[in-house]
Amino acid sequence: NAGVTQTPKFQVLKTGQSMTLQCAQDMNHEYMSWYRQDPGMGLRLIHYSVGAGITDQGEVPNGYNVSRSTTEDFPLRLLSAAPSQTSVYFCASSFGLAENEQFFGPGTRLTVL
Amino acid sequence: GQQVMQIPQYQHVQEGEDFTTYCNSSTTLSNIQWYKQRPGGHPVFLIQLVKSGEVKKQKRLTFQFGEAKKNSSLHITATQTTDVGTYFCADGSGNTGKLIFGQGTTLQVKP
Repeated sequence: NAGVTQTPKFQVLKTGQSMTLQCAQDMNHEYMSWYRQDPGMGLRLIHYSVGAGITDQGEVPNGYNVSRSTTEDFPLRLLSAAPSQTSVYFCASSFGLAENEQFFGPGTRLTVL
Repeated sequence: GQQVMQIPQYQHVQEGEDFTTYCNSSTTLSNIQWYKQRPGGHPVFLIQLVKSGEVKKQKRLTFQFGEAKKNSSLHITATQTTDVGTYFCADGSGNTGKLIFGQGTTLQVKP
């Protein structure tokens, strides 16, 4: 099993550009989520999904969209990138819900100029 | 809403010294998870605590869940350079569907 995969590993955007961060898991996990990590801020929840077709907002959802058309994939879309979205983004998945062990992807380091 | 406070933010120790990080919540936690993130890496699950007063050990690591289920701690005995990294607690309580992380404690170990 590949576990949780994320692409790309690194990305540089200009302000106003859009892009999609990809996340996929091959463990048949129902729960998937996106976090951003900034120095001194820990991991902050952006959006999460408890199953295909179901998504909900986390702590910091503004500026980000998600969809969950399949169990395996949970892409994160930045519609109009801003310098404040410069961060490291982690995708995670688990069986059941949030109270279970989370498996994290390797992360995407995004810089917005 | 869900919120966990973690202290200290940073800790520098000499190799062989002990280390403790604390996680506190204003609300009762149904479960608390601990993760470790090595520099440049991703968070990796360490353990989950569910019961009031629970104590679990993994080699030199001891995890505790408070009697009131509002706090938790991670204690490392005789630190080694391999313990370097950031340790996070996370609250997966309730039916919100959210796993909320503390700010993390970054541990540096001097050889």
